[in-house]
Amino acid sequence: EAGVAQSPRYKIIEKRQSVAFWCNPISGHATLYWYQQILGQGPKLLIQFQNNGVVDDSQLPKDRFSAERLKGVDSTLKIQPAKLEDSAVYLCASSLEPTQGGNSPLHFGNGTRLTVT
Amino acid sequence: DQQVKQNSPSLSVQEGRISILNCDYTNSMFDYFLWYKKYPAEGPTFLISISSIKDKNEDGRFTVFLNKSAKHLSLHIVPSQPGDSAVYFCAASGNQFYFGTGTSLTVIP
Repeated sequence: EAGVAQSPRYKIIEKRQSVAFWCNPISGHATLYWYQQILGQGPKLLIQFQNNGVVDDSQLPKDRFSAERLKGVDSTLKIQPAKLEDSAVYLCASSLEPTQGGNSPLHFGNGTRLTVT
Repeated sequence: DQQVKQNSPSLSVQEGRISILNCDYTNSMFDYFLWYKKYPAEGPTFLISISSIKDKNEDGRFTVFLNKSAKHLSLHIVPSQPGDSAVYFCAASGNQFYFGTGTSLTVIP
């Protein structure tokens, strides 16, 4: 099966600019996640979708970050305006079932490495 | 507050020997624990998991042990191979996945 697709692989922007990331999950996976991984840390959940509805966005900095999954398949994550501390790898993941109390493992894409200068 | 901790940033092991990666957690309500493996420039890939009601799960060369009283789990790789060199993340499943900071394993040929 095809894996989780993400683009672009790398992005360099200046602070205060905007940027968008795209993700296409594994076919049939209803649950989609965006994670932020800062260098030297583990992935941190930003937002979780179940189909096209938001399940958890408690850790999403909503003043600058937004995400959507309009048709329950592809998703985009946007940062506007970017700050230096947003430099990180942004990982998209999908799973067959939601994680809450379950064992459905996450399948990750290769991520987008964002550098904000 | 870090709910899942991996206190060893790195580990080096000779090929053929055992690799032991450790992970500690703070929340006794976690249901499942998982290990992910990550190569450079790639996303993490699922390796093995264990339910909180078990104390051991084995899959080929990989075995995960869970000690609930100590809130500790470990991943054993026997025998270690050079291709196992990667960063290993442990994760715990509750209302979401919580990841540790990773341990970089180097298997020396």
